[in-house]
Amino acid sequence: GAVVSQHPSWVICKSGTSVKIECRSLDFQATTMFWYRQFPKQSLMLMATSNEGSKATYEQGVEKDKFLINHASLTLSTLTVTSAHPEDSSFYICSASRGSSTDTQYFGPGTRLTVL
Amino acid sequence: SQQGEEDPQALSIQEGENATMNCSYKTSINNLQWYRQNSGRGLVHLILIRSNEREKHSGRLRVTLDTSKKSSSLLITASRAADTASYFCATYGQNFVFGPGTRLSVLP
Repeated sequence: GAVVSQHPSWVICKSGTSVKIECRSLDFQATTMFWYRQFPKQSLMLMATSNEGSKATYEQGVEKDKFLINHASLTLSTLTVTSAHPEDSSFYICSASRGSSTDTQYFGPGTRLTVL
Repeated sequence: SQQGEEDPQALSIQEGENATMNCSYKTSINNLQWYRQNSGRGLVHLILIRSNEREKHSGRLRVTLDTSKKSSSLLITASRAADTASYFCATYGQNFVFGPGTRLSVLP
């Protein structure tokens, strides 16, 4: 159990467009979901934490208006990169935990975003 | 300052040997977790050790935690080529923070 999926796995878009990435917990209810960003050969950087039904908590330096997070249900969270630019190209990974943010996080396979 | 700093940054060993990776952190934590990431793939959770625990085992993995030294180690025994990956420690205190990772290469 504890499978997390992401869709799409790879997306290429033009500069200025918006891209939505979905994160789903397939076999459990995720009270808390997390969004991370990872640059090549670097570690993950937490972007935001979201709890179902409430607004996401963004980390310092992450633009709320650029990275819109919606945690609409206990099994789905979405990250929308608005007006994407080439510097937004990265690997975006979500994770989900059954309980609070101190519980084990189960990670999705990641979404590679390439902005041309 | 960065939590969860791994050491070494890269490690290359022969199949069958043991691999030890260390993680240091700076502030108090609730738990520390180790993850594996194969190239270009998502993370796989390996093991979670709570702040009141000193050692945990899972198969060929052994994790220790020394809260007085604010450090943890991950030992992989009898390594296999399939263990080749990046290994990250992540600490949960006020925030959940990943270290830069150790790139492990296990040569056949």
